[in-house]
Amino acid sequence: KQEVTQIPAALSVPEGENLVLNCSFTDSAIYNLQWFRQDPGKGLTSLLLIQSSQREQTSGRLNASLDKSSGRSTLYIAASQPGDSATYLCAVRPGGTYKYIFGTGTRLKVLA
Amino acid sequence: ETGVTQSPTHLIKTRGQQVTLRCSSQSGHNTVSWYQQALGQGPQFIFQYYREEENGRGNFPPRFSGLQFPNYSSELNVNALELDDSALYLCASSGQGASTEAFFGQGTRLTVV
Repeated sequence: KQEVTQIPAALSVPEGENLVLNCSFTDSAIYNLQWFRQDPGKGLTSLLLIQSSQREQTSGRLNASLDKSSGRSTLYIAASQPGDSATYLCAVRPGGTYKYIFGTGTRLKVLA
Repeated sequence: ETGVTQSPTHLIKTRGQQVTLRCSSQSGHNTVSWYQQALGQGPQFIFQYYREEENGRGNFPPRFSGLQFPNYSSELNVNALELDDSALYLCASSGQGASTEAFFGQGTRLTVV
């Protein structure tokens, strides 16, 4: 059974810091992995999608890596800003299914 | 702008009642999935519809049911509401194929009292 874990559960950093959010999953048989951002009480905004054959994806100040063999992904945020404050969710799509399995998220607060 | 729209945004229902939530998928997307997100948790998969047929279901009882229409919009119906059904319900649409990106709507916040 696929399980997704995100560490840390919460993180508070001063503005300008580079930071790394971690995601681990138990079964390497996945189609892809997607990182999302969620503001309080809102829906999910897709940040980056990494296919199982890819090692990393970049969008602006965000970079996500995928190491399928070790069951790990990291989301790197460069030069953090208060507007980055949100919950970041990692989700994997297991092979043979169309659903996503989510972690419980990392709640990020960037202090001005 | 993801193009996935959900309605209503909020609603309050009484235990035992029935509720219908609606989702319009992004243009060109023929697959719709529904998720339930309890407070402080990650979303949990309810079911998925592809071309008007259910093609995957999570660990939810039969009182959770759905429909997909020819224009690929979808409904989630929940009968005999329980207090634990209070959650944010999210709809996601995607194109055909397991590797396509999923786009989520803003969700419907359901409160059961």
